[in-house]
Amino acid sequence: EAEVAQSPRYKITEKSQAVAFWCDPISGHATLYWYRQILGQGPELLVQFQDESVVDDSQLPKDRFSAERLKGVDSTLKIQPAELGDSAMYLCASSLPIGGRTEAFFGQGTRLTVV
Amino acid sequence: GDSVTQMEGPVTLSEEACLTINCTYTATGYPSLFWYVQYPGEGLQLLLKATKADDKGSNKGFEATYRKETTSFHLEKGSVQVSDSAVYFCALKKNTGNQFYFGTGTSLTVIP
Repeated sequence: EAEVAQSPRYKITEKSQAVAFWCDPISGHATLYWYRQILGQGPELLVQFQDESVVDDSQLPKDRFSAERLKGVDSTLKIQPAELGDSAMYLCASSLPIGGRTEAFFGQGTRLTVV
Repeated sequence: GDSVTQMEGPVTLSEEACLTINCTYTATGYPSLFWYVQYPGEGLQLLLKATKADDKGSNKGFEATYRKETTSFHLEKGSVQVSDSAVYFCALKKNTGNQFYFGTGTSLTVIP
């Protein structure tokens, strides 16, 4: 069964360091999402791609976060510098862009701890 | 704006008890509605979905009906098991823009 792949599963980094997360969506899925999930809360959208183009990054803290999907396939989310408040689960999801009826498929996430 | 409001938890039930988790939504147009489940340390998994009014989604004994008149999509199960312990998220997806809106999640613990 096709899955969304994310790495690493866990990351511990020191404050002010740079950190990067990688996501490989299900083959053929043109829409890719990065979400941040703080413990005890629902996922919050950071950035949405349609192929290689950013569709929505209105909630992405652009002073420290960046995201790219250069060839419209896999994607990288970077934080530089990391802050204590960035500790969270970072979830990648993908979906087919067929109207609004298709669900998003999620990866297992990357648990980031900033110390 | 578009949003989802779901029942706050945590919810604790005994095995074989009935479950209802309430979910209401605010949206323009005709969104699709979803229930996702998240086990500890994992990503979200689709539990069920409904794409138009009066549709009933069902999976693993869970059901939810898309009620446009009450803008609701309540999750129900007649007899819960210990293995159902997880966090449940209600979500909507607009038919344009492919954007999802998630509720805050409801934690369910089922005790033997």
